[in-house]
Amino acid sequence: DAGITQSPRYKITETGRQVTLMCHQTWSHSYMFWYRQDLGHGLRLIYYSAAADITDKGEVPDGYVVSRSKTENFPLTLESATRSQTSVYFCASSDRLAGGDLRNIQYFGAGTRLSVL
Amino acid sequence: QKEVEQDPGPLSVPEGAIVSLNCTYSNSAFQYFMWYRQYSRKGPELLMYTYSSGNKEDGRFTAQVDKSSKYISLFIRDSQPSDSATYLCAMRGAGSYQLTFGKGTKLSVIP
Repeated sequence: DAGITQSPRYKITETGRQVTLMCHQTWSHSYMFWYRQDLGHGLRLIYYSAAADITDKGEVPDGYVVSRSKTENFPLTLESATRSQTSVYFCASSDRLAGGDLRNIQYFGAGTRLSVL
Repeated sequence: QKEVEQDPGPLSVPEGAIVSLNCTYSNSAFQYFMWYRQYSRKGPELLMYTYSSGNKEDGRFTAQVDKSSKYISLFIRDSQPSDSATYLCAMRGAGSYQLTFGKGTKLSVIP
């Protein structure tokens, strides 16, 4: 299917475990983003990537690791999960080469609901 | 003070009402202003965007930006139950792909 897909949709884990959230897009967009959404905080940027092998920190990067070996994939890893990382995680992508209105569009996946017990 | 402030609501209106959603911001470098709509348990989707100051209309939706006051608005005319969602404002500076989001306003349109 075309678009941006996240997996798993739901995940329950325990504190201290490593968890990887997957994000895959079929548009070959240059930019990819990871956000977390929490009540009272809204969407906050965790990490972003401008291209394969180029990543940078966002507003709340602590406790997270990303990689981008291929343009279409942007996995997010919680190296040692904590309860404060219970959240809904969204991946998004954006086309650097798009013109006009399309430059402002970030396309979001459906999200992963993560619970850390 | 957060860069973008948005009243989280919730906001409940009767069908057919005019809805006004607002955000204020503090960063004068913001040039592009967007409204995303997010249905329950879904990802946000872009509804409208404007560049710099001015108005933009798309069907029942009108976006306004007042850069002098650092204030943006989204108006929904003839609101429908299908408009029930959380509306997120977002902004970015020129040359940047990073968006700064408001917390979102949850809107319910009652039939």
